[in-house]
Amino acid sequence: NAGVTQTPKFQVLKTGQSMTLQCAQDMNHNSMYWYRQDPGMGLRLIYYSASEGTTDKGEVPNGYNVSRLNKREFSLRLESAAPSQTSVYFCASSESRGTGVFYGYTFGSGTRLTVV
Amino acid sequence: ILNVEQSPQSLHVQEGDSTNFTCSFPSSNFYALHWYRWETAKSPEALFVMTLNGDEKKKGRISATLNTKEGYSYLYIKGSQPEDSATYLCAFGSNYQLIWGAGTKLIIKP
Repeated sequence: NAGVTQTPKFQVLKTGQSMTLQCAQDMNHNSMYWYRQDPGMGLRLIYYSASEGTTDKGEVPNGYNVSRLNKREFSLRLESAAPSQTSVYFCASSESRGTGVFYGYTFGSGTRLTVV
Repeated sequence: ILNVEQSPQSLHVQEGDSTNFTCSFPSSNFYALHWYRWETAKSPEALFVMTLNGDEKKKGRISATLNTKEGYSYLYIKGSQPEDSATYLCAFGSNYQLIWGAGTKLIIKP
């Protein structure tokens, strides 16, 4: 039972380089999310996809783009990496069946990204 | 700006003792309150999702209560064990947009 799979686990980029973080879930969840986690702070939402075919900005979307490739996959792209994007990135997924019903999130194992 | 506060930031507890910690959130426009357990080198794992004022949830030795009118939730651990050592996160919000606290780091001393 894989759950949420993220790749890569670690990455070092030079300022200005681009890269894509991959995320896939095998639980048939409708909704997927990208978060960043910085020391001393709560998880912050970058982008989310409520369902296949839709994406929306979260709290900190600047410098990032996303693609919901299909129901399983949700990728995060850094077009021109900056040192401020050094962080641990988590992908998550959840079931969602409309308003008033809430489900817990399943998280991937994280990607530790360093931009130098 | 919506804010979720967790206290204390860290907590050392003797094995076998019971403990609790707090999550404070805005009391207006309440949707749901989540609790997660996050062990070092792993990813956060959902414990509870609570939606109703007065809700109480339990999973083994861990339980949680919810007061939406005053904007707080307590997480209780009864008879702490070494495997309870983790950071406990709470998050407040709707299906798609959760605001997360910075967590309470719990260390169980043998």
